[in-house]
Amino acid sequence: DAKTTQPPSMDCAEGRAANLPCNHSTISGNEYVYWYRQIHSQGPQYIIHGLKNNETNEMASLIITEDRKSSTLILPHATLRDTAVYYCIVRVAAGNQGGKLIFGQGTELSVKP
Amino acid sequence: DGGITQSPKYLFRKEGQNVTLSCEQNLNHDAMYWYRQDPGQGLRLIYYSQIVNDFQKGDIAEGYSVSREKKESFPLTVTSAQKNPTAFYLCASSIVGGADEQYFGPGTRLTVT
Repeated sequence: DAKTTQPPSMDCAEGRAANLPCNHSTISGNEYVYWYRQIHSQGPQYIIHGLKNNETNEMASLIITEDRKSSTLILPHATLRDTAVYYCIVRVAAGNQGGKLIFGQGTELSVKP
Repeated sequence: DGGITQSPKYLFRKEGQNVTLSCEQNLNHDAMYWYRQDPGQGLRLIYYSQIVNDFQKGDIAEGYSVSREKKESFPLTVTSAQKNPTAFYLCASSIVGGADEQYFGPGTRLTVT
């Protein structure tokens, strides 16, 4: 599975968009980009995933560059409850690898009033 | 409500004792996973199972054991052979195949003294 690089921390003002970058320059053609977040002392929460097209759901948007070497998670209107550690993960679909998720250090997002 | 439950939330044991952590899901997921998280770190995979009566070691299986006798249940035993058992333990489940996301339980914080 490809390795990802994320900034260790970011701040965002409440109500503004939070743009969290992720570099995955060694991503393979069959690897998806996943985003999870973890609020302190809770289990991680799935946010969104994509292969090569941009994706949007009720929580966030995922923008993947055309060469797939980087992506950005966008929280359009950040709230205080979005304060968490955000993990960018790339992996193949489950298949016979068991769906292993490799978590890095993530980005600690602090949303401030 | 569908979801994953882990019990207890906090667990305290004396060194040298085996302890079993519970994980139950009613999502009808075939795959289940156990992760360990240490302070300030990402999650690391201990064991995973894609089908009843079958499971595979993850990256840090030494000192742990699992069983998968029922689809809904995937208990983890932390044995006395685990050198640093104090950690936050997270269970997850997913469907098998395709770009499936994993759903996490609330976690069990184990402290061994």
